[in-house]
Amino acid sequence: DVKVTQSSRYLVKRTGEKVFLECVQDMDHENMFWYRQDPGLGLRLIYFSYDVKMKEKGDIPEGYSVSREKKERFSLILESASTNQTSMYLCASSLGAASAYEQYFGPGTRLTVT
Amino acid sequence: GEDVEQSLFLSVREGDSSVINCTYTDSSSTYLYWYKQEPGAGLQLLTYIFSNMDMKQDQRLTVLLNKKDKHLSLRIADTQTGDSAIYFCAERNHGSGNTGKLIFGQGTTLQVKP
Repeated sequence: DVKVTQSSRYLVKRTGEKVFLECVQDMDHENMFWYRQDPGLGLRLIYFSYDVKMKEKGDIPEGYSVSREKKERFSLILESASTNQTSMYLCASSLGAASAYEQYFGPGTRLTVT
Repeated sequence: GEDVEQSLFLSVREGDSSVINCTYTDSSSTYLYWYKQEPGAGLQLLTYIFSNMDMKQDQRLTVLLNKKDKHLSLRIADTQTGDSAIYFCAERNHGSGNTGKLIFGQGTTLQVKP
């Protein structure tokens, strides 16, 4: 079974803090994704990575950066957290065509910025 | 641009059938997916359909695809209280290359009343 883990289920940070959200997958997947989920807006793609050290902006990259130094790990960084970044953050990984591009999701991190 | 639309809420009685609908705009969609999110959890793939298919059935789930109208539906027969969750429609199109990038709808909250 594919397992995607995220470093925290719940996180509370102050405005202006630097925040790191970590995601690890154990299935040697090439592609990894970071989404934020807000009620009524569904999942919005922040960044994705299709290989080590490769990244592409998604639909809402402003205020975020990412790092992928190892294949299994994809980190989301909030350089200076703001209250409008309070949200649920979901990480996913995908093998690609070999598995019909299915994405496997972690349990999510609920981040509150006060 | 690419867009996937769903209604936000559906309420049914236990034992009835549920039908969750989704429309998409991109005619080059290759795969269409239904994901389920239970409270406090990440998304889990329920089923997917390739764009050259009209229907797919898997136990209590039936997926219907109308390519002409760009309409996808998920029917759950004999809906149970355990089916209460958020259901996301997603699509992948040719423009995604091999990255596995998907476009998600807003999610439909299914409430099953006993």
